[in-house]
Amino acid sequence: DAMVIQNPRYQVTQFGKPVTLSCSQTLNHNVMYWYQQKSSQAPKLLFHYYDKDFNNEADTPDNFQSRRPNTSFCFLDIRSPGLGDAAMYLCATSRDQGASSSYEQYFGPGTRLTVT
Amino acid sequence: LAKTTQPISMDSYEGQEVNITCSHNNIATNDYITWYQQFPSQGPRFIIQGYKTKVTNEVASLFIPADRKSSTLSLPRVSLSDTAVYYCLVGRGQLTFGSGTQLTVLP
Repeated sequence: DAMVIQNPRYQVTQFGKPVTLSCSQTLNHNVMYWYQQKSSQAPKLLFHYYDKDFNNEADTPDNFQSRRPNTSFCFLDIRSPGLGDAAMYLCATSRDQGASSSYEQYFGPGTRLTVT
Repeated sequence: LAKTTQPISMDSYEGQEVNITCSHNNIATNDYITWYQQFPSQGPRFIIQGYKTKVTNEVASLFIPADRKSSTLSLPRVSLSDTAVYYCLVGRGQLTFGSGTQLTVLP
């Protein structure tokens, strides 16, 4: 089945130690998103890729970076994780169907990041 | 991006119909209204999307009045497994999640 896959599902890192979360998709969607969701809060969009074009949300900290080497894969890099970065990180994809349509987002299961 | 307002929580009993209303007073002409469901420790899942009037699929109905300043998600005959957070989103493409509605279905 076509899907959005996130690895690992659980990640533990140390304070200040760089960490990379990965996302892959078999949907061949041209748009990929990264969200951060803290406990009991709604998902918060960090950035998204429209094909290779990177779009950063204005309030996303510089500590968060992303790479999309090809259509299928997207990575979230946290350069120096702090305790406040502990959260669920969600990857999503959508297909841009043009100006006349909206587009459903397909979410992965998320990676829960713990910072010790 | 249009801001949405939903009730923080709702309780219902199995077998009842549940209606969750979302307010989005500053919806733009091109915005769609989309509802997602999220279970604990899972990613949100698309439920239904509409632009105007009524949309129905196998799991829910979405009612949108003519002015589009609100919408109502209707879940027929809920079961315990429908206990989740339901998010109403307005826009196209990148979406801003509001606080969502925690629906608890009781036996």
